[in-house]
Amino acid sequence: QVQLQQWGAGLLKPSETLSLTCGVYGGSLSGYYWSWIRQPPGKGLEWIGEMNQSGSTNYNASLKSRVTFWVDTSKNQFSLKVTSVTAADTAVYYCARQKIALGRPFDYWGQGTLVTVSS
Amino acid sequence: DIQMTQSPSSLSTSVGDRVTISCRASQSVDTYLNWYQQKPGKPPRLLVSDASTLQGGVPSRFTGSGSGTDFTLTISSLQAEDFATYYCQQSYRSPRTFGQGTRLEIK
Repeated sequence: QVQLQQWGAGLLKPSETLSLTCGVYGGSLSGYYWSWIRQPPGKGLEWIGEMNQSGSTNYNASLKSRVTFWVDTSKNQFSLKVTSVTAADTAVYYCARQKIALGRPFDYWGQGTLVTVSS
Repeated sequence: DIQMTQSPSSLSTSVGDRVTISCRASQSVDTYLNWYQQKPGKPPRLLVSDASTLQGGVPSRFTGSGSGTDFTLTISSLQAEDFATYYCQQSYRSPRTFGQGTRLEIK
């Protein structure tokens, strides 16, 4: 059974850098896109972007200038960095898996990490 | 970007009711439309993929239908555990986009 377990700092000050990691257990990174999705408190879901095992990335244009993804295949995990955070970046951040094929859904999700940006 | 619009945004319903949630895409997404259920404090759970394919373990009272731009999720007889927020999501084009959600509340 695949499990996605995520971790990272939950409280940041404005202008700091958000950093989260998602570990993949019981499955391989190969053959899938690995996405980050966020959800501001009480609001809907926003896709941040995706990456595959080889490090190829695809970012949502709305955040592209501040977002970096990278993968560590030796640890079977992938990570997200968002620079220069503001209160608007306060959200629950999820990692999720999507098979590499046209039209595949997000079938496994991490448990979510609440990141709060406050001075 | 493909915009996804759900209706209604919220619905007061009772156990046993038949519920239909609509999702409209701003352009055709073929049948690459997925439905998720989310309960408070939990990640979304995939219910339906490819517009109508029920995922393993999802009760048969859930039915997805549609193609192109118009889709529906129907719950034939609402159970207590179905009170949650439901999201549609298109997986046809990047960026992946979600509807704003439909919250089912107990009447």
